[in-house]
Order: sequence, then C-alpha cells, then structure tokens
Amino acid sequence: QQQVKQSPQSLIVQKGGISIINCAYENTAFDYFPWYQQFPGKGPALLIAIRPDVSEKKEGRFTISFNKSAKQFSLHIMDSQPGDSATYFCAARKGDSSNTGKLIFGQGTTLQVKP
Amino acid sequence: KAGVTQTPRYLIKTRGQQVTLSCSPISGHRSVSWYQQTPGQGLQFLFEYFSETQRNKGNFPGRFSGRQFSNSRSEMNVSTLELGDSALYLCASSSQGAAGELFFGEGSRLTVL
Repeated sequence: QQQVKQSPQSLIVQKGGISIINCAYENTAFDYFPWYQQFPGKGPALLIAIRPDVSEKKEGRFTISFNKSAKQFSLHIMDSQPGDSATYFCAARKGDSSNTGKLIFGQGTTLQVKP
Repeated sequence: KAGVTQTPRYLIKTRGQQVTLSCSPISGHRSVSWYQQTPGQGLQFLFEYFSETQRNKGNFPGRFSGRQFSNSRSEMNVSTLELGDSALYLCASSSQGAAGELFFGEGSRLTVL
C-alpha cells in the first residue's frame, strides 16, 4: 500500500524524441505526486508535481499525465536533449501537513538521450 | 537564497563506529527530512523533524537517530555502523504545509569498511 512502482528501469531515447516514464500507486490517500531529476553526485531536484484534481500539467518540455481511476501517473519529456540524461524518480505523499517531508519514491529510471 | 547544505560530503568509517551528519535547511524552512539512497533500495525515508520534534519515522532500526535544533539545523546519527549502511544520506527541507515542496541537499556519501 505504501509502494510506488516505476518503470522502465532504464530508457534510451534519441535526441528530439519523447521520453515516457510511468508510475503506479495503491494508496488512495496519496494526493501529491512530484517528479525529481537527479544528476550524478547531486541531490534530487524537483521537476514538476501534480495533484489528483487535474489530469495533466505541463511545464516547458515536461508534462505529467495523471489517471486517478487507474492510480497511475507518467512523465513525458518532449524533444529530449542530451542534457536531460539523468535519473528520474516519481514520488507520492499523503495529503496531510504532518507528512510534508515524507515522500514515497519509485525505484528510479535512468534516462540516456543519444545525440 | 542558499540551498540545503550538508556536511561532510564524503566520509569513510569502519564497522562498529558511529557517524554524525549535519544539515542546514533553507532559511525559513522548519521541516527537515532525511533519506537514505542506495542502488538496491533506492530512496528511503528515515525521519522528519519539525520544530525540534520528530513527527515521522521510517522503517529503520534504532541505530539511526536524529535531532533538530532551535535554528532548524538538523543532525542524524548512525551508531554501530554496518557495511550495509554505506549509502548517500540526503537531507531535504521544506516550508510547512501540505503544499510544501522538498528541496534536497547534495548528500553525505558514507562508506563503511
């Protein structure tokens, strides 16, 4: 119930292509779903986040699609660039202010964008 | 605004020793959380502190402990180190509230020999 399952584990995309990473959850108490990007030697950095009251959120080349009934959400990276090569983590959090710092993370996806 | 600062960045210990890691949150942030990151287990929540009180704890043994000071700075301690404690320990801070985004530091890389 506390898990967030992320796929694929690794992904290779050509420059200019679309990268798609998927996540699924079980706990319906989750109501905040962020995506983090992590480069080697760095901490995770927030990319984009969504709440269940919207089905899609777009920021630049990054889009989250959210399917509440299926309990799934995905990250789309449009026009992927070599600089996007990093590890991406989805996460989820219960909607309770006392849980501000407690995120449940997926296992991560290593993205490589080939020039 | 300065980001989350963690010290030390790298350290090597031997089994049985203990270690203390430090975290200075973003100015104004009162919530500090700690995570362990390993290749096998990924990112796992250790604990969260708010106003010097632990308000959430992950599923780790009692050898892992932490505290928060009145200036919101936090420390975590691992006693009786085991080889499996080798990991990147990440600190994250956030402002209060359900909308609070987590901002991570660059981590402390602990190697246990």
